[in-house]
Amino acid sequence: DGGITQSPKYLFRKEGQNVTLSCEQNLNHDAMYWYRQDPGQGLRLIYYSQIVNDFQKGDIAEGYSVSREKKESFPLTVTSAQKNPTAFYLCASRGTGGYQPQHFGDGTRLSIL
Amino acid sequence: AQTVTQSQPEMSVQEAETVTLSCTYDTSENNYYLFWYKQPPSRQMILVIRQEAYKQQNATENRFSVNFQKAAKSFSLKISDSQLGDTAMYFCAFMTEDNFNKFYFGSGTKLNVKP
Repeated sequence: DGGITQSPKYLFRKEGQNVTLSCEQNLNHDAMYWYRQDPGQGLRLIYYSQIVNDFQKGDIAEGYSVSREKKESFPLTVTSAQKNPTAFYLCASRGTGGYQPQHFGDGTRLSIL
Repeated sequence: AQTVTQSQPEMSVQEAETVTLSCTYDTSENNYYLFWYKQPPSRQMILVIRQEAYKQQNATENRFSVNFQKAAKSFSLKISDSQLGDTAMYFCAFMTEDNFNKFYFGSGTKLNVKP
């Protein structure tokens, strides 16, 4: 079945540590996205990528980094510069052409130890 | 500025009854697309229904339908014959034709379906 796989489901970060969240899709979508969701709030865009080897900052990119070396993969690194990383992180992808919706993974919950 | 407002943080409905979730948005664009997503306790975001702004006919998907009022910039979601599995957060979102990569999400409405 086609879909988006995020791993791990739960992740804990120590102070000063970088952690990487994985996102893989087999939908053959060109565009991929990372969102952050805080309790009681909507989704805020961190980064997005329209094509391999290209990505753009979203609304809250500070303290995060991404790479897009393969079409299927769009990992997100939460760096030590992100002082409040505790949140739920959602990865999404979108096909091209028309008004294609975004399809989401199951998310990763990141907490501080 | 592009914004989405969901004015009902939480709602409850009895099983088998009908409930309407409200959503208003603001954009200066004429061509855009509207969506409702459902996020159950499992946290996965699931597309419920979508509407193209240039279509006057309201979209329907089984028990889910929308009331799209373009002039009022309103996009409400009606859930008929509510089921326990409908318990979830519901997010209204839209994107404009000039930037398909930018989705604007509301803050969500938590729907509780009671037995």
